[in-house]
Amino acid sequence: GQSLEQPSEVTAVEGAIVQINCTYQTSGFYGLSWYQQHDGGAPTFLSYNALDGLEETGRFSSFLSRSDSYGYLLLQELQMKDSASYFCAVRPPDSWGKLQFGAGTQVVVTP
Amino acid sequence: ETGVTQTPRHLVMGMTNKKSLKCEQHLGHNAMYWYKQSAKKPLELMFVYSLEERVENNSVPSRFSPECPNSSHLFLHLHTLQPEDSALYLCASSQDLSVSPNEKLFFGSGTQLSVL
Repeated sequence: GQSLEQPSEVTAVEGAIVQINCTYQTSGFYGLSWYQQHDGGAPTFLSYNALDGLEETGRFSSFLSRSDSYGYLLLQELQMKDSASYFCAVRPPDSWGKLQFGAGTQVVVTP
Repeated sequence: ETGVTQTPRHLVMGMTNKKSLKCEQHLGHNAMYWYKQSAKKPLELMFVYSLEERVENNSVPSRFSPECPNSSHLFLHLHTLQPEDSALYLCASSQDLSVSPNEKLFFGSGTQLSVL
């Protein structure tokens, strides 16, 4: 099986940069996804890394290094609305659409 | 709005009750899922349906019984639950059950279940 480790909570001020790390132990997977979930809301897809390197989508960027078994989500120019939980997820081979999720990182943005 | 609607949003039930959770997706997707979300834990996949057929039952206790009458609707029937079953139950859908690596999941907002 897969094991994904994320910090449980990160606190930062508006305008700051936050990096959420996701380390994993797996023999193989298709890629690393990130989902955002506001309190009381639905998890929503943020980004996907199929290959090593950086993927940028506006203020959010995601990075993957398979050789280091490591990825991260970078949140720039933090806004209050970015306060949410962020989950990394991988899709194991032959998984029929199953995603293996981390436990999530609660990001708290303060004024 | 994700296109996946779950009802009810909140449910309190006793251990001897029978209740059902409902999920409806308006996205034309062919695959639907039930996940359990407990505090500080990873999302746990419970059931997977593709074109109304169950393709995965992840060692879930029989007190949880899924039903998929068509590709747009998914139910989770609950009976004789335990207090440890209290959690947020999330429904999700995806276009297909393909192995396309970047297949996105679209989640509903969940049903917060409390078992007394």
